[in-house]
Amino acid sequence: NAGVTQTPKFRILKIGQSMTLQCTQDMNHNYMYWYRQDPGMGLKLIYYSVGAGITDKGEVPNGYNVSRSTTEDFPLRLELAAPSQTSVYFCASSYRLQTGGSTYEQYFGPGTRLTVT
Amino acid sequence: QKEVEQDPGPLSVPEGAIVSLNCTYSNSAFQYFMWYRQYSRKGPELLMYTYSSGNKEDGRFTAQVDKSSKYISLFIRDSQPSDSATYLCAMSAGAAGNKLTFGGGTRVLVKP
Repeated sequence: NAGVTQTPKFRILKIGQSMTLQCTQDMNHNYMYWYRQDPGMGLKLIYYSVGAGITDKGEVPNGYNVSRSTTEDFPLRLELAAPSQTSVYFCASSYRLQTGGSTYEQYFGPGTRLTVT
Repeated sequence: QKEVEQDPGPLSVPEGAIVSLNCTYSNSAFQYFMWYRQYSRKGPELLMYTYSSGNKEDGRFTAQVDKSSKYISLFIRDSQPSDSATYLCAMSAGAAGNKLTFGGGTRVLVKP
């Protein structure tokens, strides 16, 4: 299994440009997530999905959009990039960690480093 | 006030020392407590998880949760240079979607 893969690894965008960050997982996980990580700020949830066709906002969704047409793929779209979106973006997927419980281990991809100038 | 507070460090210790990390939180609904390790320029990976209060041990790692004080800890015994990383605490109320709330991370340096 490749786990969670993200492309591209690095990207520099000009203000106002748009781009899509790709995320794919081959573990057949239902749950997928997008986070951003700013220095010293931990990870903040942007969007998440509990299955194909179902997405919901996280803590910091403004300026982003997602779609989930398949179990494997969960792309993140940035429209009209702004300097405030300079960050490292992580995609994650999860499965049930404890039988009968409701907690899950999240598997993270290697991240995409995005700079908006 | 952040929902989860974590000292950013860096925490520098000599090889073989005990590393002590902690987080405080304000949301009493949190039931699941996790520690993730993140090496430089990599994604986080799950190190330990604990449900509710109590201790859990796994090799050199011990996780403690005190829900009455809203305080969790991670101890690393016999620390090695390979333990140098950023350690993130994360918490969940266990609701649908399993949304995690992360602390800001503590950077740990273990010097040979």
